[in-house]
Amino acid sequence: AQSVTQLDSHVSVSEGTPVLLRCNYSSSYSPSLFWYVQHPNKGLQLLLKYTSAATLVKGINGFEAEFKKSETSFHLTKPSAHMSDAAEYFCVVSDPGYSTLTFGKGTMLLVSP
Amino acid sequence: NAGVTQTPKFQVLKTGQSMTLQCAQDMNHNSMYWYRQDPGMGLRLIYYSASEGTTDKGEVPNGYNVSRLNKREFSLRLESAAPSQTSVYFCASSDNRGTAGANVLTFGAGSRLTVL
Repeated sequence: AQSVTQLDSHVSVSEGTPVLLRCNYSSSYSPSLFWYVQHPNKGLQLLLKYTSAATLVKGINGFEAEFKKSETSFHLTKPSAHMSDAAEYFCVVSDPGYSTLTFGKGTMLLVSP
Repeated sequence: NAGVTQTPKFQVLKTGQSMTLQCAQDMNHNSMYWYRQDPGMGLRLIYYSASEGTTDKGEVPNGYNVSRLNKREFSLRLESAAPSQTSVYFCASSDNRGTAGANVLTFGAGSRLTVL
């Protein structure tokens, strides 16, 4: 069965400091993994995806994530936070044995000046 | 290119009333989905349609029905609304015919439903 756990419901950073949003997954196979972002009162937008190519994946707006099979993790990072990064972030897993995606419960990123 | 369009954006219902949420996509995607989003719960799949002419239950289908009207349109119906169905509903679509777009969802802007 596929599942995903986002380890923090809220993360607070100051503008200009690094961002780390943590995600662990469970999958019976080699999964596809995604990060989506949702700005207030908006739909979700794809940030990046991992589909068994390079383990370090670069996304939009300076975000990247590293697939670590030994740790079953897919953490999202950004070197320097910007005020516009304040949003909710969702880690998502798709197991080849499943035809649908499983979403994590989300991490709210708060960025202070 | 509009992407995924949902209507209505807001709706208030009384318990027991019925309504239909409409969704249309103009990207020629074969798969369409309905999710609900509740605080602290992430997104939960209600129903999906892998291709035109097929529909399947997701994680939380009770109290809902769907219709894949054609390749573009996928509607969600609440036959007898309950307060537990107060939520934000998202329609999404994806092109799962090849590996490049596999499972990459394009979302609508959402429909906020309140059931009193």
